[in-house]
Amino acid sequence: LAKTTQPISMDSYEGQEVNITCSHNNIATNDYITWYQQFPSQGPRFIIQGYKTKVTNEVASLFIPADRKSSTLSLPRVSLSDTAVYYCLVGPNQAGTALIFGKGTTLSVSS
Amino acid sequence: SQTIHQWPATLVQPVGSPLSLECTVEGTSNPNLYWYRQAAGRGLQLLFYSVGIGQISSEVPQNLSASRPQDRQFILSSKKLLLSDSGFYLCAWSVPGRFETQYFGPGTRLLVL
Repeated sequence: LAKTTQPISMDSYEGQEVNITCSHNNIATNDYITWYQQFPSQGPRFIIQGYKTKVTNEVASLFIPADRKSSTLSLPRVSLSDTAVYYCLVGPNQAGTALIFGKGTTLSVSS
Repeated sequence: SQTIHQWPATLVQPVGSPLSLECTVEGTSNPNLYWYRQAAGRGLQLLFYSVGIGQISSEVPQNLSASRPQDRQFILSSKKLLLSDSGFYLCAWSVPGRFETQYFGPGTRLLVL
């Protein structure tokens, strides 16, 4: 599985847009890019997934450049409740795929 | 919509005692099912996964076992708990044929004393 690198922490204020970038230089052709959110003492929650270009849902947007060696999760107008750890994962669609969660990015939103 | 349940939410057990954690999924058929463990301050470790009833694959050899007696039920067990079994246990499911997107349950916090 491709290794990912993301910032350890980020700080923001309510109402701002937050962009979290993840590097995955060794991404394979059949790998998908998936982002999860995790609050303390809760299971990770799926946010968004993409393969290339841009994906948008009601929660976030995911930007993936043509070379797919990085991706950016964009959270529009964050609120205090968006304070959480955000994980970037890269992996294929195959049986036994273990989602390897690294240390993630701890996002702290202040008022 | 699909929902995933885990129980109990919290469990304190003495060393050497047995363990049984249960996970059930609603709103989908023949899901892929997974058991993960997350140690404090660390990432998730895949323990077992299942693509069907009675089909269990183990990723890490240890004193834990898993069973899938029904399509949407996944059980994690141990005959004798170790101190090192303490952690946050998460059950997850994915759509049949899809493994890269998994949906997690609320988790069980296990403390072995």
